[in-house]
Amino acid sequence: GESVGLHLPTLSVQEGDNSIINCAYSNSASDYFIWYKQESGKGPQFIIDIRSNMDKRQGQRVTVLLNKTVKHLSLQIAATQPGDSAVYFCAERRGTGFQKLVFGTGTRLLVSP
Amino acid sequence: GAVVSQHPSRVICKSGTSVKIECRSLDFQATTMFWYRQFPKQSLMLMATSNEGSKATYEQGVEKDKFLINHASLTLSTLTVTSAHPEDSSFYICSARDHLAGGTQYFGPGTRLTVL
Repeated sequence: GESVGLHLPTLSVQEGDNSIINCAYSNSASDYFIWYKQESGKGPQFIIDIRSNMDKRQGQRVTVLLNKTVKHLSLQIAATQPGDSAVYFCAERRGTGFQKLVFGTGTRLLVSP
Repeated sequence: GAVVSQHPSRVICKSGTSVKIECRSLDFQATTMFWYRQFPKQSLMLMATSNEGSKATYEQGVEKDKFLINHASLTLSTLTVTSAHPEDSSFYICSARDHLAGGTQYFGPGTRLTVL
């Protein structure tokens, strides 16, 4: 079936490095994508989103890139800090009406000082 | 930003008992709330979509008689796990959709359920 998935389950970086977390999706009809950060024992925290009519969006230290041609989404974190260590999920909004989110499998980001 | 709370944050119960989890949107009205379940080291799986004043819509494979959802007001949805068993032990997370903020979903902090 259709799914949203991630290429790398764990990403280890040094403090100060730039991090790139990738996500592949398969539903070409999806019109909205979100990245969430989840720390251990907590709920997901919104990071950044992007609509399908855009290919790039920047936030504070984060950038999301969307390539609809290959159905690929990425999250770039600049100057990664130990506090960025968490599991990152991409989510895809599908359907009309209630517009539920479908989450990817998640990538654990480990930042070493 | 918008805040969603859940209560309790952690609950331990005996097998066969029922547990109610509350989800509240604290500073906005949410006509739609969602309930997710997350097993250790896994992603969030949508269980059901809760709409104020109407019956919830359950995802395939989720037993509606076991996971009772009530959305009686624009700021409160409840999930009741009936006759809980150890396999129901999980992290339950709700989210609330702020339709005035472009439909952004805000997540609660989650409830850790352990069934003995």
